[in-house]
Amino acid sequence: DAGVIQSPRHEVTEMGQEVTLRCKPISGHNSLFWYRQTMMRGLELLIYFNNNVPIDDSGMPEDRFSAKMPNASFSTLKIQPSEPRDSAVYFCASSLRRSTYEQYFGPGTRLTVT
Amino acid sequence: SQQGEEDPQALSIQEGENATMNCSYKTSINNLQWYRQNSGRGLVHLILIRSNEREKHSGRLRVTLDTSKKSSSLLITASRAADTASYFCATDPGISNFGNEKLTFGTGTRLTIIP
Repeated sequence: DAGVIQSPRHEVTEMGQEVTLRCKPISGHNSLFWYRQTMMRGLELLIYFNNNVPIDDSGMPEDRFSAKMPNASFSTLKIQPSEPRDSAVYFCASSLRRSTYEQYFGPGTRLTVT
Repeated sequence: SQQGEEDPQALSIQEGENATMNCSYKTSINNLQWYRQNSGRGLVHLILIRSNEREKHSGRLRVTLDTSKKSSSLLITASRAADTASYFCATDPGISNFGNEKLTFGTGTRLTIIP
């Protein structure tokens, strides 16, 4: 299995631009998670899905952030408009069955907003 | 606040020595997991210990769990340079939080193995 796939791996954009991060979970996994990691705040859960349905989005910082999972093999995290404080590494992870089984992380997307 | 808090925040030891990291948490759990993160990479699952287990081994890793003290420890024996990474504990609240089950990650211990 190729593991969790994220794209792009690096994104540099200007403040105010729209950013879309993409994730392909491991085939057969029913839960998908979006995390953000910074030195200051550590690893934060933004949102997670079970069977393509958003279960908990309480970690989404603002309305500028949105996430979708149109099918079992694809999810997006969108930031519109982006701000410098959104600069971070964004990880996607997937899990088999129950959401609290071991999670498999993607390589992350390093986002820099100037 | 973080459910899991690792201690110490940073640890440097000589290659070949044992490394011990601790994790404390606040609420009851179903299981506790340890993850490793190499610089610039995603987290990798290492081991899971259930609330009814006290100790678990996997290769050079030994994990203990004390639910009465709400704490866990991760021991890496005979450390190697490749063990240099950040280590995170993550807690699973279990069915008490049914319908909104999610892992909560700690702040991590940064381990450096000196060759």
